[in-house]
Amino acid sequence: NAGVTQTPKFRILKIGQSMTLQCTQDMNHNYMYWYRQDPGMGLKLIYYSVGAGITDKGEVPNGYNVSRSTTEDFPLRLELAAPSQTSVYFCASSYRSYNEQFFGPGTRLTVL
Amino acid sequence: AQSVTQLGSHVSVSEGALVLLRCNYSSSVPPYLFWYVQYPNQGLQLLLKYTSAATLVKGINGFEAEFKKSETSFHLTKPSAHMSDAAEYFCAVRDFGNEKLTFGTGTRLTIIP
Repeated sequence: NAGVTQTPKFRILKIGQSMTLQCTQDMNHNYMYWYRQDPGMGLKLIYYSVGAGITDKGEVPNGYNVSRSTTEDFPLRLELAAPSQTSVYFCASSYRSYNEQFFGPGTRLTVL
Repeated sequence: AQSVTQLGSHVSVSEGALVLLRCNYSSSVPPYLFWYVQYPNQGLQLLLKYTSAATLVKGINGFEAEFKKSETSFHLTKPSAHMSDAAEYFCAVRDFGNEKLTFGTGTRLTIIP
């Protein structure tokens, strides 16, 4: 049982490039979330999903897209990377919205 | 909208001393409340959660938190700090009917030998 896995661990992008951050969970959780963490700002919700085929915007969705075609996977797409997207990105999952969220190890992204 | 305030972005305590990390929320209705811990270069992991059962909640690693409705607070305590407690701690809140967590800005705990 690997829990929540994220790839890659680190990535450097040039301005305007695109990339997909991968997130997979093996706990059969319905809910999945993407957060970004910036120093002194806590975690901000980017997008979340309540099940396969259903996604919704969080607090800071601009510049990002998501899809959820399976229960296990919830990739986050960055189009036209900008320096403001330099951050640490965490994926999380939970069985129900009121249950504990389990977090992945994070992806550290730098946009230059 | 729900908000969470963690007083003190940095807290330092001596090894063996009491740890007190403060969290206040804004909801008028008692929400679900969580404390998470983040060790360097790792994701967050749950310390404890309040879900309207007992007001004093015990968590892992000797931590506990008390829900006080009158003060809209959910402060985290540990009687005796250990060097391994050095980490960043986040308070989070979820309102009933809301599928999202709102996180505080975090408190970095430093333990002085």
